[in-house]
Amino acid sequence: GENVEQHPSTLSVQEGDSAVIKCTYSDSASNYFPWYKQELGKRPQLIIDIRSNVGEKKDQRIAVTLNKTAKHFSLHITETQPEDSAVYFCAAGASKIIFGSGTRLSIRP
Amino acid sequence: EPEVTQTPSHQVTQMGQEVILRCVPISNHLYFYWYRQILGQKVEFLVSFYNNEISEKSEIFDDQFSVERPDGSNFTLKIRSTKLEDSAMYFCASSESGLLQPQHFGDGTRLSIL
Repeated sequence: GENVEQHPSTLSVQEGDSAVIKCTYSDSASNYFPWYKQELGKRPQLIIDIRSNVGEKKDQRIAVTLNKTAKHFSLHITETQPEDSAVYFCAAGASKIIFGSGTRLSIRP
Repeated sequence: EPEVTQTPSHQVTQMGQEVILRCVPISNHLYFYWYRQILGQKVEFLVSFYNNEISEKSEIFDDQFSVERPDGSNFTLKIRSTKLEDSAMYFCASSESGLLQPQHFGDGTRLSIL
């Protein structure tokens, strides 16, 4: 069945450095790739999304890249800040969204 | 900013009982979803709903589960004969149109089965 793999499961970076989270997906029909941020005990919040007709998208300090041939996509956060600490989920889908297993990002002051 | 609202925030139920989780999607949204998140794990798709019928469902969404839009604003998830492993956070989400549109999540209902 459909599967989304996400790496790493935990990531610790120095404040101000960049963080990169990578995902691969199995369903070649997937054409929508959202990223969600979830703080402890809170709802998942959409931070950025990309569709299959676009290879890259940027919103301030956050960027996503998509390689449909290789079936992988990545989230890049630059100039990390303490408030970026959270669990980040990638997801992929066509008729339904399948989530990755999450990356716990910690920003060291 | 409009939000998806869910009630109750926490539901405690005896094993074998039925529960109904309630959601009010954003008013102009047409697609509705239920997800489940077991503590510390990933978000899992349960079901999507459009035009008063199920669009898609996962293997988790078996005969124990049902969804309904009883009126113009509510969207409910019913779980019959609850089991211990049904304990999880259940999130409702809605989107303005189809899958390629952002899904907005509610704050969730924490379901605890005793």
